[in-house]
Amino acid sequence: GAGVSQSPSNKVTEKGKDVELRCDPISGHTALYWYRQSLGQGLEFLIYFQGNSAPDKSGLPSDRFSAERTGGSVSTLTIQRTQQEDSAVYLCASSPARKEQFFGPGTRLTVL
Amino acid sequence: GQNIDQPTEMTATEGAIVQINCTYQTSGFNGLFWYQQHAGEAPTFLSYNVLDGLEEKGRFSSFLSRSKGYSYLLLKELQMKDSASYLCAVRGLTGANNLFFGTGTRLTVIP
Repeated sequence: GAGVSQSPSNKVTEKGKDVELRCDPISGHTALYWYRQSLGQGLEFLIYFQGNSAPDKSGLPSDRFSAERTGGSVSTLTIQRTQQEDSAVYLCASSPARKEQFFGPGTRLTVL
Repeated sequence: GQNIDQPTEMTATEGAIVQINCTYQTSGFNGLFWYQQHAGEAPTFLSYNVLDGLEEKGRFSSFLSRSKGYSYLLLKELQMKDSASYLCAVRGLTGANNLFFGTGTRLTVIP
């Protein structure tokens, strides 16, 4: 595609429910990143995938968060037992090797 | 740890020049990026510095001093559409290539 796409664009869920957020990176980009942007905060790194290497999960805030990347392309970020503090915009980015990152439009998650 | 500081808000006049500063303290350094983010939209790449000095790209320039842990983004001939948040981000020395972001500077351009 022309750019990074994410779905859904908005997600409202109840506390305690699980949610899945999807990211379609730019075709051919080997690296994929997930970030979280809370109101008034900077982007917070969550997880990074590079090719077939084991992902860097060092930014995941708790074991309720997980992500996978199938076939080196599409990625899904899963948040289990959502909490109100999980409300944020979740941004996905992709890049070719160690070049600049291209961001998707984000998924705005609201946990009631 | 990582610490990246930028002013929270700035206001400037259309047609003027504005400088947005960024200071950083990181455990490693392998490049500094500036991104622009309009409200409700994704960040878009503006500039990249890895060596000391000034990088110029049209109306936008970015400067880096690694010894001082300091960068600035210079916007010339401001236009109303330049009203946005400007994010400073540092890439560490780990193999991850992930970026550490500041909180961003919200720039408002007034007529």
